[in-house]
Amino acid sequence: KNEVEQSPQNLTAQEGEFITINCSYSVGISALHWLQQHPGGGIVSLFMLSSGKKKHGRLIATINIQEKHSSLHITASHPRDSAVYICAAQETSGSRLTFGEGTQLTVNP
Amino acid sequence: DAGVIQSPRHEVTEMGQEVTLRCKPISGHNSLFWYRQTMMRGLELLIYFNNNVPIDDSGMPEDRFSAKMPNASFSTLKIQPSEPRDSAVYFCASSSGQLVFFGSGTQLSVL
Repeated sequence: KNEVEQSPQNLTAQEGEFITINCSYSVGISALHWLQQHPGGGIVSLFMLSSGKKKHGRLIATINIQEKHSSLHITASHPRDSAVYICAAQETSGSRLTFGEGTQLTVNP
Repeated sequence: DAGVIQSPRHEVTEMGQEVTLRCKPISGHNSLFWYRQTMMRGLELLIYFNNNVPIDDSGMPEDRFSAKMPNASFSTLKIQPSEPRDSAVYFCASSSGQLVFFGSGTQLSVL
């Protein structure tokens, strides 16, 4: 069993739909990261969470420490949101990140 | 700031050759990471430095891999000798303890 698991692995949506990507982890963490990897390969950090909820534009990330679960939501999805979304758990003892396998999101116009 | 800068962007080499990947972290960031990404294994941490000191190198595959950080603004990842199974995208990233910023990656192909 992976220490960080994401679901779904693949997600196809129509433009405008509300998207949710889930991440569960089994390790103790100091923070949970959400990353976005574009088709060209570049990786962008979206959020770093240690509790509660963060919002940036149409993106919202939440974390429940007790349940060891985080979600990434995209409101009013757009084709340019198409990318791989990766969650990563930052261990409590340092800066090491353990990555989920990623969720391939495709938003069709 | 120009972000994390990696070079080269692409490297094609023959098996047995030495490969050196370079990284310039964001100024002021005290943590630097080397990651490898493959289709089979996804993103994996190879090594990370804190204040130029290697903290965790448990992800370095074997003795053929070595990494150095001689100062706060430069790091190298060296593979000697390279093998076809080393073909992957190698990312460098840096952090000041908050968000992690990634370089554009080096696409390595070992023939």
